[in-house]
Amino acid sequence: NAGVTQTPKFQVLKTGQSMTLQCAQDMNHEYMSWYRQDPGMGLRLIHYSVGAGITDQGEVPNGYNVSRSTTEDFPLRLLSAAPSQTSVYFCASSPYSGNFPTVGAFFGQGTRLTVV
Amino acid sequence: EDQVTQSPEALRLQEGESSSLNCSYTVSGLRGLFWYRQDPGKGPEFLFTLYSAGEEKEKERLKATLTKKESFLHITAPKPEDSATYLCAVPHQTGANNLFFGTGTRLTVIP
Repeated sequence: NAGVTQTPKFQVLKTGQSMTLQCAQDMNHEYMSWYRQDPGMGLRLIHYSVGAGITDQGEVPNGYNVSRSTTEDFPLRLLSAAPSQTSVYFCASSPYSGNFPTVGAFFGQGTRLTVV
Repeated sequence: EDQVTQSPEALRLQEGESSSLNCSYTVSGLRGLFWYRQDPGKGPEFLFTLYSAGEEKEKERLKATLTKKESFLHITAPKPEDSATYLCAVPHQTGANNLFFGTGTRLTVIP
């Protein structure tokens, strides 16, 4: 069982370039989300989706786009990369459990992105 | 505004030396508190969910407890393989399935 798969694992971009971070899950989870993790800060929510065709913004959405055309996939697009977007990005999925989730989210292995 | 504060930032223990990690939180209406373990270069791995004051959960050498203002992760007789960063989180204001994380405690267990 693969769980949550993220690609690529590492990426270097030049300022102004665009790219897509891929995320796929095989657990048929409704909820998917993207976080970024920076030194000295907790993981911060970028965007999330409660199901195919539905997305919404988290805490730090600027500079990122998402779409959810299938239950399995939730790609994150960087429109015009900036050095401030250098970070480790994590995708997560979880089953929808109403207001009291019974299990935590399952996280991918992360994508380490450097923007120069 | 929700806040999650973890202490200490880093902790070094000798193998077998028990200790506790702290997670204090300020949220309006707790809908669960989560503990995760994160190894270097990996994504967080879910450990526990706690919902109400007085609740306890255990897994091997780890026990998580919850009060109205804080949660503790007790580590009994730790082994080097327990070395990791331990994160706590509460449901995010955007939805219960999203998480608001503390900055973590980096635990090192020395043989």
